[in-house]
Amino acid sequence: GENVEQHPSTLSVQEGDSAVIKCTYSDSASNYFPWYKQELGKRPQLIIDIRSNVGEKKDQRIAVTLNKTAKHFSLHITETQPEDSAVYFCAARVSGSRLTFGEGTQLTVNP
Amino acid sequence: GAGVSQTPSNKVTEKGKYVELRCDPISGHTALYWYRQSLGQGPEFLIYFQGTGAADDSGLPNDRFFAVRPEGSVSTLKIQRTERGDSAVYLCASSPGFATDTQYFGPGTRLTVL
Repeated sequence: GENVEQHPSTLSVQEGDSAVIKCTYSDSASNYFPWYKQELGKRPQLIIDIRSNVGEKKDQRIAVTLNKTAKHFSLHITETQPEDSAVYFCAARVSGSRLTFGEGTQLTVNP
Repeated sequence: GAGVSQTPSNKVTEKGKYVELRCDPISGHTALYWYRQSLGQGPEFLIYFQGTGAADDSGLPNDRFFAVRPEGSVSTLKIQRTERGDSAVYLCASSPGFATDTQYFGPGTRLTVL
């Protein structure tokens, strides 16, 4: 089955700096890659996703890149703010099946 | 509109007891998923439904776990003879259809087995 690895497990940045979180996946059939943000005690919330026919997608301060050949994808957050502090999860999905999640990255943005 | 809801938000039970966890998906969503999240880890797939039928139950850890969705809307996850290792947050998600990628999560039920 699919295996997703996520790095780093913790990331601390200064407000205004950029943050990058990287994930690799094992199943070349995976074609959908969402990123979820989860605040303490809250539900995972989708922040951005990308499909395998696209190499990059951007939404304001958030962008995701996908390298299908290398089987890795990354989340980029620019101009970080304290409210960006949370746990971020990447996931991969083969069409018509479950999401397989990474282990999460605890992002802390220091004011 | 209303998002995915789950009840109860918290459930404390004793080892060996039976529990039921409920999920109300977004209205009109035909696909429903159950995940389990242990502290400090990502959600782990348990089972998903397309309509009333379980399309994939390969994530259920053993036969103490069972889920139903009799009318294709609300789903109930049932755990028999609970064990301390079952303690986790149980998350439900729904999506508009089987081939639709985006999954919307509920707030979860925190299960604690004493």
